[in-house]
Amino acid sequence: QSALTQPPSASGSPGQSVTISCTGSSSDVGGYNFVSWYQQHPGKAPKLMIYEVMQRPSGVPDRFSGSKSGNTASLTVSGLQVEDEAEYYCTSYAASDDLLFGGGTKLSVL
Amino acid sequence: QVQLQESGPGLVKPSETLSLTCDVSGYSISSGYFWGYIRQPPGKGLEWIGIGYRNGDTYYNPSLRSRATISVDTSSNQYSLRLSSVTAADTAVYFCVRYTYYLDSSGPRGRYFDYWGQGTLVTVSS
Repeated sequence: QSALTQPPSASGSPGQSVTISCTGSSSDVGGYNFVSWYQQHPGKAPKLMIYEVMQRPSGVPDRFSGSKSGNTASLTVSGLQVEDEAEYYCTSYAASDDLLFGGGTKLSVL
Repeated sequence: QVQLQESGPGLVKPSETLSLTCDVSGYSISSGYFWGYIRQPPGKGLEWIGIGYRNGDTYYNPSLRSRATISVDTSSNQYSLRLSSVTAADTAVYFCVRYTYYLDSSGPRGRYFDYWGQGTLVTVSS
């Protein structure tokens, strides 16, 4: 059982928007603005997509956005493209210098 | 361009120690940043193992703290992981990563993994 809870799957059609949630507690997601999101294609290393809840690294399309409300962080992918089909993982800093991962969400672009 | 490359045995016997090295190119680890490892069992999610700094400071996943050791060698621009008393549950793809963390006028910043190695599969089996 992962420390952060993500839905196992999400889906959308090309051009649509989809939001993936990441639920923790007041000791991690809710207590710090250190949530990051990673995209992983099969057989590849994960890639950083969002950091500090809503910041985008250089080179990541602005179709990807992050937010947080209470103990739940969210990743929204707008204008879905076929290449967005991948596994997405959230992470959060937690008390006592721990780092937690979510279980991952498989995003399908139908 | 920062590049990370894992190396080490692909097969380790149960109860023995898993040892991996990460070669860093495109950046001198003596200049800063934390360096660490994340693993992924086949078909499963990601698990943070730990991070280390050039001065010897280390932080570990509480569930692995008693078995994991990360060492940073600035002279060779490498760092390493040792995981003792392995079992089949330690079978995974192991990624080396760079961890960004710094302080500015507003306090702590970063706390994310911005560079990843390609990963190496380590199987624990007799």
